[in-house]
Amino acid sequence: QSALTQPPSASGSPGQSVTISCTGTRSDVGGFNYVSWYQQHPGKAPKLMIYEVTKRPSGVPDRFSGSKSGNTASLTVSGLQAEDEADYYCSSYAGSNNLVFGGGTKLTVL
Amino acid sequence: QLQLQESGPGLVKSPETLSLTCTVSGGSISSTNYYWGWIRQPPGKGLEWIGSVYYSGTTNCNSSLKSRVTISADTSKNQFSLKLSSVTAEDTAVYYCARLRIVVARRGDAFDIWGQGTMVTVSS
Repeated sequence: QSALTQPPSASGSPGQSVTISCTGTRSDVGGFNYVSWYQQHPGKAPKLMIYEVTKRPSGVPDRFSGSKSGNTASLTVSGLQAEDEADYYCSSYAGSNNLVFGGGTKLTVL
Repeated sequence: QLQLQESGPGLVKSPETLSLTCTVSGGSISSTNYYWGWIRQPPGKGLEWIGSVYYSGTTNCNSSLKSRVTISADTSKNQFSLKLSSVTAEDTAVYYCARLRIVVARRGDAFDIWGQGTMVTVSS
């Protein structure tokens, strides 16, 4: 399975909103509502931020939201804060119990 | 609180076999609600799913690695393990173990708890 496509970088000023896209195919993102998003700070393990396209685990701020249209999923971070600066990865179920990650997006808070 | 901890050699010679173990504490790997998975991240690069195991021993692996990967579970020790054979420098990465949620039709969808990761370097 091929990696999902994410923009290498995104940025925004504190308080603004930024959206990161994740494009796959009908065999993964478009075919299942099992897209998840992870936040990774330098030197740290990834942290689950969104699962099943739109759901937030307990403890994740509601500034983080997910959506999907066709073969593209999106993560929106509203009210950007300095601590949101990190790498973000999407992942999708890809059939036959396979999983695929995106290449990652570096989010910079200006 | 559930915790996962990877362990194993930090240096492996090519073309030997990389062996890692993930020890789970604060919960049981025998849960019917989760798979247990391995993910790796080469230096400066993105995440790659390696494979996952159910406590009964059922496994699923990334097709690009399938011929070299063995994943197993040991419920008596509350551990699961990864073996990657014939390693090369391209297998140099931080290796993470993580818990994978099981959803409808026994699909695994999201890794909700991660270990801290362990760096493995492959030397020639």
